Amino acid sequence: QVQLQQSGAELVKPGASVKMSCKAFGYTFTTYPIEWMKQNHGKSLEWIGNFHPYNDDTKYNEKFKGKAKLTVEKSSSTVYLELSRLTSDDSAVYYCARGNYRYDGGAFDYWGQGTTLTVSS
Amino acid sequence: DIQMTQSPASLSVSVGETVTITCRASENIYSNLAWYQQKQGKSPQLLVYAATNLADGVPSRFSGSGSGTQYSLKINSLQSEDFGSYYCQHFWGTPYTFGGGTKLEIK
Repeated sequence: QVQLQQSGAELVKPGASVKMSCKAFGYTFTTYPIEWMKQNHGKSLEWIGNFHPYNDDTKYNEKFKGKAKLTVEKSSSTVYLELSRLTSDDSAVYYCARGNYRYDGGAFDYWGQGTTLTVSS
Repeated sequence: DIQMTQSPASLSVSVGETVTITCRASENIYSNLAWYQQKQGKSPQLLVYAATNLADGVPSRFSGSGSGTQYSLKINSLQSEDFGSYYCQHFWGTPYTFGGGTKLEIK
């Protein structure tokens, strides 16, 4: 069955970078984009951007340009989210999800379990 | 960017009641709207896509409606497993913004 497996929790110092992963199982990896979201504690979700493994097309929310970078390792069906110049504002749970645009409009139909990022000295 | 305004922000209800959550877009999103449920400490789960279509496995007590800028999620005969937070999300161009969420609590 379709699963997205995210890497474990991270504790990182301010100013550093972090790279987290989202590994896809149970479907043809190149068929659907992988989406990334940020959720601050107790708050709503923000869409960071997406990466389509079929053609390496990448879209970013303007708010996260310069902060987030999406890359892929097709051999392992994994998409990576790298966050740079970390501050306490980056502390949050980060989710990946499968974007399904075969639905009218679109929907994120499968989600990873989330990666908790804590930025602290 | 399109803004998504959800209401109410929180709701205290009893099992068996019917609830309606609304989502207003800052411009016409032509039914390109999804709803998600998120339980405490868990990932969001897709409930509804294209404003009115239930995702696979979603109970029929859930229903979505709306058009233009106004959308609703209705839950008939609320069950204990329905408590949690609900979010709308538009797909009318990037960034795909989410509503602020509605927290459904047990009365």
